[in-house]
Amino acid sequence: AQKVTQAQTEISVVEKEDVTLDCVYETRDTTYYLFWYKQPPSGELVFLIRRNSFDEQNEISGRYSWNFQKSTSSFNFTITASQVVDSAVYFCALSYLAGTYKYIFGTGTRLKVLA
Amino acid sequence: DGGITQSPKYLFRKEGQNVTLSCEQNLNHDAMYWYRQDPGQGLRLIYYSQIVNDFQKGDIAEGYSVSREKKESFPLTVTSAQKNPTAFYLCASRGRINEAFFGQGTRLTVV
Repeated sequence: AQKVTQAQTEISVVEKEDVTLDCVYETRDTTYYLFWYKQPPSGELVFLIRRNSFDEQNEISGRYSWNFQKSTSSFNFTITASQVVDSAVYFCALSYLAGTYKYIFGTGTRLKVLA
Repeated sequence: DGGITQSPKYLFRKEGQNVTLSCEQNLNHDAMYWYRQDPGQGLRLIYYSQIVNDFQKGDIAEGYSVSREKKESFPLTVTSAQKNPTAFYLCASRGRINEAFFGQGTRLTVV
């Protein structure tokens, strides 16, 4: 079965702290994509990153970084020096390189960054 | 600006009524999706369409219907058979690197 688990329902941090959002996935396929999306209070999901299953290189984009480890089926997201504007719900998702291209989402992690 | 437009933003439905949620995209994407979001449950797939005039049921299709007569449009009808329709509905399309682009959502409430 394909599944995405985000065990952290809600996280609160103080501004400037670093925070890591966990994502664990399950799939029998060898080729797949992993994504992170941000959902601010306005409701629209904003695409942050895509990683394919063949590329385990970590990625850094400004204050954001992602750690993909196939050995543990994890795709964790770290925000460095968090800011109040980072407050949102973050979703991890899984999709496939072929076939139906359905997206399977985790239940999301609500991040609250306190000033 | 290219993107996905959902309307209306808020929708109120009486018991027994059918309502239609609009989703329009000008991104020239083939695949489109409808998701339902409930608190604490993430996004669940209702219907998806890979191409014009073709669509498939997702995980929670009961009580919903769709059409895909034009590439740009993928409306969702919530029928009276859907027993608990109050939720946030999100429409998406699949982009060039297989990322999903989302609209701003429609919040449906049964009154």
